[in-house]
Amino acid sequence: EADIYQTPRYLVIGTGKKITLECSQTMGHDKMYWYQQDPGMELHLIHYSYGVNSTEKGDLSSESTVSRIRTEHFPLTLESARPSHTSQYLCASSELGQGKETQYFGPGTRLLVL
Amino acid sequence: GIQVEQSPPDLILQEGANSTLRCNFSDSVNNLQWFHQNPWGQLINLFYIPSGTKQNGRLSATTVATERYSLLYISSSQTTDSGVYFCAVEDDKIIFGKGTRLHILP
Repeated sequence: EADIYQTPRYLVIGTGKKITLECSQTMGHDKMYWYQQDPGMELHLIHYSYGVNSTEKGDLSSESTVSRIRTEHFPLTLESARPSHTSQYLCASSELGQGKETQYFGPGTRLLVL
Repeated sequence: GIQVEQSPPDLILQEGANSTLRCNFSDSVNNLQWFHQNPWGQLINLFYIPSGTKQNGRLSATTVATERYSLLYISSSQTTDSGVYFCAVEDDKIIFGKGTRLHILP
């Protein structure tokens, strides 16, 4: 059973607000990821990290930033929320190393920007 | 970048039927995973399978890396198998396919 948590689960916020989505895992995984997914559609990689102090951009430019100060924690921040940011945000983690990179997903945060 | 294509896009089956889902990818990859997303949005990893064949209960998967495809087999479908099945490959980044939407009728 995967131990990866996301808060909040649901968020409704006005345009222009700064928000931080939290993601924590207790498995000691080095790699962590953030994805954006519209309902029933494909996942788009936003950011990922290989470990502490490592952050990389994915393919989707969502005007967001991440930080990785602790192994277990990988928060995603939107500096100025827009209606186009309305979506589901999924956090995942995996071990690092060939053959070990099975991804485990959190339950997601559903964001609505008015 | 690598292209990932899944087929069929949608599939409706009667409970008890068998199904085969396909994932084609355009270039060599370091790994390949199959996921099931249930109707409540939770993604569960089914297989980590860069090559070869694996089985887990009623599900099995085969990846033929040299021919750049993977197959997911579901036997004796149950209504709880409904949802979206995603294939994801990794080169330097992870890329997901658009998924196969499976609906199992009771």
